[in-house]
Amino acid sequence: ETGVTQTPRHLVMGMTNKKSLKCEQHLGHNAMYWYKQSAKKPLELMFVYNFKEQTENNSVPSRFSPECPNSSHLFLHLHTLQPEDSALYLCASSQDLRDRGLNYGYTFGSGTRLTVV
Amino acid sequence: AQKITQTQPGMFVQEKEAVTLDCTYDTSDPSYGLFWYKQPSSGEMIFLIYQGSYDQQNATEGRYSLNFQKARKSANLVISASQLGDSAMYFCAMRENSGYSTLTFGKGTMLLVSP
Repeated sequence: ETGVTQTPRHLVMGMTNKKSLKCEQHLGHNAMYWYKQSAKKPLELMFVYNFKEQTENNSVPSRFSPECPNSSHLFLHLHTLQPEDSALYLCASSQDLRDRGLNYGYTFGSGTRLTVV
Repeated sequence: AQKITQTQPGMFVQEKEAVTLDCTYDTSDPSYGLFWYKQPSSGEMIFLIYQGSYDQQNATEGRYSLNFQKARKSANLVISASQLGDSAMYFCAMRENSGYSTLTFGKGTMLLVSP
């Protein structure tokens, strides 16, 4: 399998549930990202990992907990979410963030559409 | 401050016609990269085209071209000969060449192609 794969594609969870989103890439990339896409808002960068090390956390509430066990896998653990957390969560990967070249974009997964009830 | 501005929430175009999607950006970094992505209703973000700040020529990829006007800080996407499958959200994004720079996206433009 190639590209960036996200599971599950759809998730409905209650506010007291605990669930995890999974992202896997087979592109040999070393950087991975979580983005949140809400209706009528720009994509919001949540977390960035480079070589398994977290390099960015954009003031994301602690009810979202990322985990990056290796450069190919990224998880987003969810607990006690709020209805406003309902959104499309996109995972992406890219070359090493330290690479000073600019001409690499990100490869995105198809996203997990999360609904919190 | 918003770094990427897409002023067109929605655009309509007839099949086989050309359409221009606007994007302006703001940066003080002399070195940066500009990207366009397409997001169909399935959700996946698909990379379309890239333009580097030092590139002398406008980027082209098949039916996609980027109208890069550096002095105006604009990077408009031109889609020629529109097809029904072009109906999607289109996002402009930028990455600056500083530190651990990441992609910053605009709010997007919804393009609808009619028969």
